[in-house]
Amino acid sequence: DVVMTQTPPSLSVAIGQSVSISCKSSQSLVYSDGKTYLHWLLQSPGRSPKRLIYQVSNLGSGVPDRFSGTGSQKDFTLKISRVEAEDLGVYYCAQTTHFPYTFGAGTKLELK
Amino acid sequence: EVKLLESGGGLVQPGGSMRLSCAASGFTFTDFYMNWIRQPAGKAPEWLGFIRNKANGYTTEYNPSVKGRFTISRDNTQNMLYLQMNTLRAEDTATYYCARNLPGFWGQGVMVTVSS
Repeated sequence: DVVMTQTPPSLSVAIGQSVSISCKSSQSLVYSDGKTYLHWLLQSPGRSPKRLIYQVSNLGSGVPDRFSGTGSQKDFTLKISRVEAEDLGVYYCAQTTHFPYTFGAGTKLELK
Repeated sequence: EVKLLESGGGLVQPGGSMRLSCAASGFTFTDFYMNWIRQPAGKAPEWLGFIRNKANGYTTEYNPSVKGRFTISRDNTQNMLYLQMNTLRAEDTATYYCARNLPGFWGQGVMVTVSS
């Protein structure tokens, strides 16, 4: 299985601060069609996960442009500019290039 | 508005069976791959499998961790997705989600507890 390693496991931030979360995969996530199926999701407290970014850098519908995704092959980053209170929760990276699909262990974003 | 509503969870004894349902609305059901994912309390999600859309013959893929015990099916006349779970173990205890086209839209989840 593809192992997704997220760092850091947790982040304590002040409102308005910018943060980055890293996700590294044990294999390249480039599919045979040339696309990279690495995604980011946010699970707010008590809620189901919600798609933020798909295929490395594409913002999901309704997601503010404070969120951005970069990376390639095996190394990816989610950046949140100017954190707001609604951004708190657990962030997961996930890959849907290789079976079985796998998720990172999560990064918990908390208020300082 | 896209909606996914899971049902059928609860308490089941080890070795027992349970069928989860997911009612879909607000989109053309047959156009989409549909997934089941589970999440033990305080842990990361685990993808269980999916059933493809009409264009891809409604075939299925499973995580080896559940292949042979879990079966995904769909009723396209009722816009329903199902997860049949057999020979349940304590480690199957989790919140179970249906989701459209990972990482797409997720339902609110249903809890399954396997315990005697």
